[in-house]
Amino acid sequence: AQTVTQSQPEMSVQEAETVTLSCTYDTSESNYYLFWYKQPPSRQMILVIRQEAYKQQNATENRFSVNFQKAAKSFSLKISDSQLGDTAMYFCAFMWNKLVFGAGTILRVKS
Amino acid sequence: SQTIHQWPATLVQPVGSPLSLECTVEGTSNPNLYWYRQAAGRGLQLLFYSVGIGQISSEVPQNLSASRPQDRQFILSSKKLLLSDSGFYLCAWSTSRDSYGYTFGSGTRLTVV
Repeated sequence: AQTVTQSQPEMSVQEAETVTLSCTYDTSESNYYLFWYKQPPSRQMILVIRQEAYKQQNATENRFSVNFQKAAKSFSLKISDSQLGDTAMYFCAFMWNKLVFGAGTILRVKS
Repeated sequence: SQTIHQWPATLVQPVGSPLSLECTVEGTSNPNLYWYRQAAGRGLQLLFYSVGIGQISSEVPQNLSASRPQDRQFILSSKKLLLSDSGFYLCAWSTSRDSYGYTFGSGTRLTVV
């Protein structure tokens, strides 16, 4: 069974600075997808970024980018120029046949 | 465009009472549908998923059941709620290829008292 591990329960960052959230996963599959979801205080789940495992190029979406290391089974999220609205819980998720989530990292952006 | 509706937003129910949470999807046909539960401050646990009408797969044994009476309707039920059923329940949908992840509803906060 696939598992996703987020080792940082909570993190904080100053507004305008950069922060990196860590994620590792375990799978024997070679073709899969990885995601980062954001859950703000409203608790709405919002897709932040998506990575296809067969693509070596790291995905980017505006201020959000990932560092995908397939051999190490690592998928970290970098948030540049952090904004107060980035305060949320962030979930790393793995999908081969179903979407499996990590336990989440609470990110607080401080002014 | 596709939208997903989930209701109610909040529910307080006594122990032993029945439960029915409903989720509907608009703007697509034959979606894959999912029910997740999120305990306080924790990750999401997949409870049920469905790839078609009447087709339900359960991920974990529990006090809950799911049904899909129509193509775009997914219902989460219980005959008798337990205190441990409290949590935040999220419905989600995806296309049959689902490589773009799932789209989630706004969730139901269930408190069993």
